[in-house]
Amino acid sequence: SQQGEEDPQALSIQEGENATMNCSYKTSINNLQWYRQNSGRGLVHLILIRSNEREKHSGRLRVTLDTSKKSSSLLITASRAADTASYFCATDARDTGNQFYFGTGTSLTVIP
Amino acid sequence: GAGVSQSPSNKVTEKGKDVELRCDPISGHTALYWYRQSLGQGLEFLIYFQGNSAPDKSGLPSDRFSAERTGGSVSTLTIQRTQQEDSAVYLCASSYQSGIGETQYFGPGTRLLVL
Repeated sequence: SQQGEEDPQALSIQEGENATMNCSYKTSINNLQWYRQNSGRGLVHLILIRSNEREKHSGRLRVTLDTSKKSSSLLITASRAADTASYFCATDARDTGNQFYFGTGTSLTVIP
Repeated sequence: GAGVSQSPSNKVTEKGKDVELRCDPISGHTALYWYRQSLGQGLEFLIYFQGNSAPDKSGLPSDRFSAERTGGSVSTLTIQRTQQEDSAVYLCASSYQSGIGETQYFGPGTRLLVL
């Protein structure tokens, strides 16, 4: 099935370091989105990158998209303890634009 | 309200009982989605509503699962004859409209435990 897979599954870093998470998917997409989920809470949308874009920035977030490799990366620079959360990528396949597919997520722990 | 709300926040039920989960989307949002998140897993799409169109039920895992959306607003997800494998967090999301690039706004979820 069309599903994003994040890697690594878990990541632990020191505050101030950069965190990089990767997402791979299987079929052609319209867009790829990254979401964040704090423990016990709903998801919050972080950033959307369209299939014709290669890189996008939002504050301390940088997202890249390589459609030839069917992969995306999320970089969080100068991490903070408050960035501790699970991060999910979501894709909408070109032929089923209404349906989003989420990966299993990367659990990020930022140690103060 | 400012965001998507869901109720109850937690539900414990016995195997074989029916449960109803409620979602109140953001006012004015025409698209509503239900997802399921099992422990340590990603989100699994269940069902999608867009306006008055027939819902996309392609993600429902069995005929024990059904959902309604009344008046284009509030939605109820019903699980009949619950099984232990139904235990999960059920998330609802809404978006202004369906389609390419629409951001989905998620509720806090309902944590269901089937004993």
